[in-house]
Amino acid sequence: GAGVSQSPSNKVTEKGKDVELRCDPISGHTALYWYRQSLGQGLEFLIYFQGNSAPDKSGLPSDRFSAERTGGSVSTLTIQRTQQEDSAVYLCASGQQQETQYFGPGTRLLVL
Amino acid sequence: AQSVTQPDIHITVSEGASLELRCNYSYGATPYLFWYVQSPGQGLQLLLKYFSGDTLVQGIKGFEAEFKRSQSSFNLRKPSVHWSDAAEYFCAVDISGGYNKLIFGAGTRLAVHP
Repeated sequence: GAGVSQSPSNKVTEKGKDVELRCDPISGHTALYWYRQSLGQGLEFLIYFQGNSAPDKSGLPSDRFSAERTGGSVSTLTIQRTQQEDSAVYLCASGQQQETQYFGPGTRLLVL
Repeated sequence: AQSVTQPDIHITVSEGASLELRCNYSYGATPYLFWYVQSPGQGLQLLLKYFSGDTLVQGIKGFEAEFKRSQSSFNLRKPSVHWSDAAEYFCAVDISGGYNKLIFGAGTRLAVHP
């Protein structure tokens, strides 16, 4: 079946602009996660959605970052007033509660 | 503080040689541990995971890992490396008691010489 998809695959933006990154999880998965992978770094947890529960936003690095999940499916990660240090690969994953999570291919963001 | 350490940034082995990638974690409760592989241009793929029970776990592609609580380690091994194993390997610990909120190590990049 279809895996986790993310769009766009690449995004180049200018400092100060807002960007939206999209994640389409595997159908039926109740859990959705966003991670950030900066150059030469491991993956950094950003936010976690589980069903209709309030999301765990403990990993968001600043209030410029926000995410929503509409209808328990598609999720959008929004970065406002982008900075150069936001340049990274943003990875989305989905899974069933307490089961293996599956990662998407990522969105590579470059802030000039 | 919760953390995962992968001491080796780069490792180079010859094809057919054995491999061990090190992982140490710091976590106060019973750890759920994972190894993921990321090939160039590919997404992260789960190799294996440890939740409980037998401390030697088998994964895909001939990989295995051993959980050693006394050493806070979860090292990944493969007896004979193939050229296609060249990739980046990430160790991770679940800090949410099984709800998949993961902390990752910085990764180990594996190169395989013919």
